[in-house]
Amino acid sequence: DIQMTQSPSSLSASVGDRVTITCRASQTISWYLNWYQQIPGKAPKLLIYAASSLQSGVPPRFRGSGSGTDFTLTISSLQPEDFATYYCQQTYNTPETFGGGTKVEIK
Amino acid sequence: QVQLVQSGAEVKKPGASVKVSCKASGYTFTSYDIKWVRQAAGQGLEWMGWMNPNSGDTGYAQKFQGRVTMTRNTSIKTAYLELSSLRSEDTAVYYCARALGAVAESYAMDVWGQGTTVTVSS
Repeated sequence: DIQMTQSPSSLSASVGDRVTITCRASQTISWYLNWYQQIPGKAPKLLIYAASSLQSGVPPRFRGSGSGTDFTLTISSLQPEDFATYYCQQTYNTPETFGGGTKVEIK
Repeated sequence: QVQLVQSGAEVKKPGASVKVSCKASGYTFTSYDIKWVRQAAGQGLEWMGWMNPNSGDTGYAQKFQGRVTMTRNTSIKTAYLELSSLRSEDTAVYYCARALGAVAESYAMDVWGQGTTVTVSS
C-alpha cells in the first residue's frame, strides 16, 4: 500500500495567515492526489483534485501543487471558516490511502 | 441538487452484520462510481472500496476482503455497504461518496453522504 505522510499533524494560525500543509507519498503517484477539508461532525469536502485543480465553488485562496511524491496545499489568507482538519488522498492505485490529517487551529 | 442520503445510525453486537444504504439524487446514478470511507472517532479516513453502479463491479481494500459487500439497486438509485463479522474495531462513521470518473479528475470524491454511525458493542 502507498503510505501518505502529512505534515504538520497540527498547526496554530491566525486569521489572515498564509498556511502550508505538505503531503508525501511513499512512491510516485503522478498527480493522483486530492485534498479534503473536514469540519468536526461533518463529512469531508473536496477542495483540490488532480494535485492542483480547484473544485467548483471552492475559494481561490486554496491552492494545490506538486507531482510525483511531494505535494502542498496552501491557504493564502486563512479565514475563520478554514479552521478544520485537512486530508490528502492518493488515487494512483488501490487501496486508496489518506494522509493522517492536519488540524488547523486558531492561535 | 446533487446529494447522497445515508441510512440512520446502527447498534450491533459483535459477530453481527450491518447494511448501510446510500440514496442518490440529482444526477444519473449509474454514471459515477460510489466509494465507501470510514472514520473511527478521533481518527483519520480509511478507504474501504468502490462500486460501479452501472455494471455492479466492485473493488475492496484487502483489509476488508471476505467481510465487505457493496451492492446497488439502480431502480431506486441506492448503493449499499454490508459489513459482516463485526468487531468493536468496526465502530465508526461510514461515508458513501460519489467519485469523479475522468482520469483528469483523479477519481476524487466530490459529493459525500452525511455519514452513518455504526456502533459495535456487546
